[in-house]
Amino acid sequence: ELKVEQNPLFLSMQEGKNYTIYCNYSTTSDRLYWYRQDPGKSLESLFVLLSNGAVKQEGRLMASLDTKARLSTLHITAAVHDLSATYFCGGGSNYKLTFGKGTLLTVNP
Amino acid sequence: NAGVTQTPKFQVLKTGQSMTLQCAQDMNHEYMSWYRQDPGMGLRLIHYSVGAGITDQGEVPNGYNVSRSTTEDFPLRLLSAAPSQTSVYFCASSYSTDGGYTFGSGTRLTVV
Repeated sequence: ELKVEQNPLFLSMQEGKNYTIYCNYSTTSDRLYWYRQDPGKSLESLFVLLSNGAVKQEGRLMASLDTKARLSTLHITAAVHDLSATYFCGGGSNYKLTFGKGTLLTVNP
Repeated sequence: NAGVTQTPKFQVLKTGQSMTLQCAQDMNHEYMSWYRQDPGMGLRLIHYSVGAGITDQGEVPNGYNVSRSTTEDFPLRLLSAAPSQTSVYFCASSYSTDGGYTFGSGTRLTVV
């Protein structure tokens, strides 16, 4: 059974700083997803990573996947307040998606 | 294009009552799933479906039933509600596993 572990679970950072959220998974996963959730809202798809070495970028967020290390990272560059949210990674195969517990990111002025 | 529509948005049930959470998508997606979200637990898969007439259990299926008679609809039934089923429920759909899943807006359920 796939286990997905994110760290840190809580992240408080200053505007303009860089940081990385890590997502480790326990067994082979066909793909790795990153989602964003604002308080009281639904989940919004950010990235889908399909192969080893995949890197995707959107604005200040960049996600990468290392299937050999069973690790995905979400790198935040020059954080701004609008990035404050909870970020989830998830993986799986055969249409069963398993999520990590999420990382609550707070970006302070 | 409405995406994934969940109803109701809020519901309060008494212990032992039954109800159905509705989920409908208009994107002709084959894959649909139900998740529950609890504080500190992330999202946990309840049931999923890979097409009309095909369903399977996820991580936490006990106390819930599903069926998929059409591509568009994937209702989740609580047979006898328990306080442990107090949660936010999300329905999600996708055209394939290579694409991201689209989530509904959620149903906040309280069982008293």
